[in-house]
Amino acid sequence: QVQLQESGPGLVKPSETLSLTCTFSGGPISGYFWSWIRQPPGKGLEWIGYIYYSGSTHYNSSLKSRVTISVDMSKNQFSLRLSYVTAADTAVYYCARTVSGTPHFDYWGQGTLVTVSS
Amino acid sequence: QSALTQPRSVSGSPGQSVTISCTGTSSDVGGYNYVSWYQQHPGKAPQLIIYDVTKRPSGVPDRFSGSKSGNTASLTISGLQAEDEADYYCCSYAGSYTFGVFGGGTKLTVL
Repeated sequence: QVQLQESGPGLVKPSETLSLTCTFSGGPISGYFWSWIRQPPGKGLEWIGYIYYSGSTHYNSSLKSRVTISVDMSKNQFSLRLSYVTAADTAVYYCARTVSGTPHFDYWGQGTLVTVSS
Repeated sequence: QSALTQPRSVSGSPGQSVTISCTGTSSDVGGYNYVSWYQQHPGKAPQLIIYDVTKRPSGVPDRFSGSKSGNTASLTISGLQAEDEADYYCCSYAGSYTFGVFGGGTKLTVL
């Protein structure tokens, strides 16, 4: 059974860096793309970026200057860092497995709410 | 404003069929056969129900079907059931630079 689980602080101060980790179990990390997607309260979904198991990345152009996604295959984990956060970055953050080089997300974590507030 | 346009809400009675549209451009929906649909119940993570326009993952009932014509993709749910009440999101590939764009979501109410 494929499972993903997000972890990290639920509260981040403005201008600081949001850091989340997604731990994957139930299958190989290799051969897949791994994405971060977010959803502001009461709003729709936004793809943030992905990392291929080899380490290559691709980010949403609107967030590119502030986003870093990394992978640790030894721990079956991949991570998100979003710098210089503002209240607009308050959202539920999901990690998801991406089957191919297309936006087809077949397994999702349960999501974690990150609030940006002082 | 979302890149793909969906109706804010649709409704139907149990047993009926409903169709949710997802309109984009020739740079996304119309340019590729990579449209996916997600069902999201309140407080839950989205769940993939359709990918590559028409394909259903294992375990998804065949009451859910997808199609595409030009720049508009559609999700049809036949034989509506109470548990189908949820938010539905479409997503399309938009080229190697943009990758993926979502619709704004549609709230389905089962009357």
